[in-house]
Amino acid sequence: EAGVAQSPRYKIIEKRQSVAFWCNPISGHATLYWYQQILGQGPKLLIQFQNNGVVDDSQLPKDRFSAERLKGVDSTLKIQPAKLEDSAVYLCASSLDSGTYNEQFFGPGTRLTVL
Amino acid sequence: SQKIEQNSEALNIQEGKTATLTCNYTNYSPAYLQWYRQDPGRGPVFLLLIRENEKEKRKERLKVTFDTTLKQSLFHITASQPADSATYLCAPYLNAGNNRKLIWGLGTSLAVNP
Repeated sequence: EAGVAQSPRYKIIEKRQSVAFWCNPISGHATLYWYQQILGQGPKLLIQFQNNGVVDDSQLPKDRFSAERLKGVDSTLKIQPAKLEDSAVYLCASSLDSGTYNEQFFGPGTRLTVL
Repeated sequence: SQKIEQNSEALNIQEGKTATLTCNYTNYSPAYLQWYRQDPGRGPVFLLLIRENEKEKRKERLKVTFDTTLKQSLFHITASQPADSATYLCAPYLNAGNNRKLIWGLGTSLAVNP
């Protein structure tokens, strides 16, 4: 079974530029998560999708971050414009659904550096 | 707000010994708690889940306990090996109305020395 795919693996941009990340979850997984992980910290949930609907985006900085999952499969996360403090690893995860007890499967992450 | 605290300092132990990692949570009562392992440059990998009505859960050399009175979970690795060196993340589940998600700790870095 293929795991969660993410691209790119690394991205370096200047502040105020735009960037987009892509995620393809495990086939059949209804729930998709985007996390931000700053070095030395645990993952912070940015947005959670159930199929193509948003379940939780309470910690997504909506003035600069946006995400979509149009067909309920793959997803993109965009930052526009980027700030220095956005430097982090962006992790995508998926689970069978958002029900209780479901483990999350993570992709390798995209390491973003904002200069 | 909800708060998760894990061992703040890295843990260094000798191969063959038991590693014990602590996870304390405050300001909520999770229905269950998950533990993950994260290696450098990789995403977290699920290890174990323990529910609030379970005192202890085992999987091979891993053991997790869940004390809802102390608001604490302990994660044990017995007969530790250098390959167990990684960061271990605790994630109790928050279920408060429409707010349902894992709340993640900072993680504890474990180094097992040969």
